[in-house]
Amino acid sequence: QKEVEQDPGPLSVPEGAIVSLNCTYSNSAFQYFMWYRQYSRKGPELLMYTYSSGNKEDGRFTAQVDKSSKYISLFIRDSQPSDSATYLCAMKKGANNLFFGTGTRLTVIP
Amino acid sequence: DAGVIQSPRHEVTEMGQEVTLRCKPISGHDYLFWYRQTMMRGLELLIYFNNNVPIDDSGMPEDRFSAKMPNASFSTLKIQPSEPRDSAVYFCASTSGQADGYGYTFGSGTRLTVV
Repeated sequence: QKEVEQDPGPLSVPEGAIVSLNCTYSNSAFQYFMWYRQYSRKGPELLMYTYSSGNKEDGRFTAQVDKSSKYISLFIRDSQPSDSATYLCAMKKGANNLFFGTGTRLTVIP
Repeated sequence: DAGVIQSPRHEVTEMGQEVTLRCKPISGHDYLFWYRQTMMRGLELLIYFNNNVPIDDSGMPEDRFSAKMPNASFSTLKIQPSEPRDSAVYFCASTSGQADGYGYTFGSGTRLTVV
């Protein structure tokens, strides 16, 4: 079993929709949880990060961590065509070794 | 800051040839990582350095792969001899150990094609 599982999609939604992206993990030692966005032919860029459980909001983006269920989510409100990208979840225990999900490809249709 | 700089952006080479990928991390970052990304396997950590010292190379697929970091501002990943299954996008990333909760900054990657 991989340490981090993520549905690869692809996910296609109309502009303005609410998008929900999810990851599950198996290692309860993970403390730091991140979401990266990767545009085509670019490197991943850090979008959101949270420490331990709870919610964090940044504009149209909300990151949610449920450590009891080993489940993290990223919500995108009022999705825009410019949100079309691959979204990767990532997490780590503390030392610098980041474990990535395989990514979910999102397309927002105008 | 110009970010993490990788070169070349694209590399096409014939099977059996030596390939060298280069990376310049963000100034002041003391961790450097090499990742490989494919459609099938996603992002795989190959090796990482702390203060120029290799810490974990367990992800390096085989002896054909080697990585060096001669100083804080430069690292190389070498494949010799290259094989078609090495075709992938190779990313370099860096971070500061002082910012424990922060993620990595990635370069734009090197797209390697071995024919």
